[in-house]
Amino acid sequence: QQQVKQSPQSLIVQKGGIPIINCAYENTAFDYFPWYQQFPGKGPALLIAIRPDVSEKKEGRFTISFNKSAKQFSLHIMDSQPGDSATYFCASHSDTGRRALTFGSGTRLQVQP
Amino acid sequence: EAQVTQNPRYLITVTGKKLTVTCSQNMNHEYMSWYRQDPGLGLRQIYYSMNVEVTDKGDVPEGYKVSRKEKRNFPLILESPSPNQTSLYFCASSLSGVNTEAFFGQGTRLTVV
Repeated sequence: QQQVKQSPQSLIVQKGGIPIINCAYENTAFDYFPWYQQFPGKGPALLIAIRPDVSEKKEGRFTISFNKSAKQFSLHIMDSQPGDSATYFCASHSDTGRRALTFGSGTRLQVQP
Repeated sequence: EAQVTQNPRYLITVTGKKLTVTCSQNMNHEYMSWYRQDPGLGLRQIYYSMNVEVTDKGDVPEGYKVSRKEKRNFPLILESPSPNQTSLYFCASSLSGVNTEAFFGQGTRLTVV
């Protein structure tokens, strides 16, 4: 049972393009929405995160857009670079119960030079 | 340097031979987790621990055991590994498990033949 649905599964863009990765969640108890970036052979690392009291958060070239009523959030990468090529995971978190991160299935991004 | 250290990085074993994957963190974090990563499924939580001597099941606990005798260590034990446990495993820690960054280890790629 996947509570966070992520799309697309893979994405190829040209350098300078704006890849967009989308996620949808079901559990309204989720209250923290991080994105993790994973390079081959490495563990995931936190990229950017948002709480549901704001609709957008920017950190450098990375932006999260959040739509609470639709239970959707997305990652935009402005002016994408070949070094951004990685797998991106959205996640959702609740501070009750297990306090676990519930991950999406991942998006493999390739930025071509 | 703040880090989560897993060992070994790679392991090939035979069905039924008990094994332990170690995990250690140097950040004095209370919350630690084990995840397995499988293609198309993202990362799924196996077990978690909110503090010393406090452990509980995650989403996919069958066939695994854990212990938390010291705050820094959280080993994952497979008492009788089976081929369906072939996967990429990650240990993670966070300060409290409540809306805080999770730090991941480098991963352990396990193959059970």
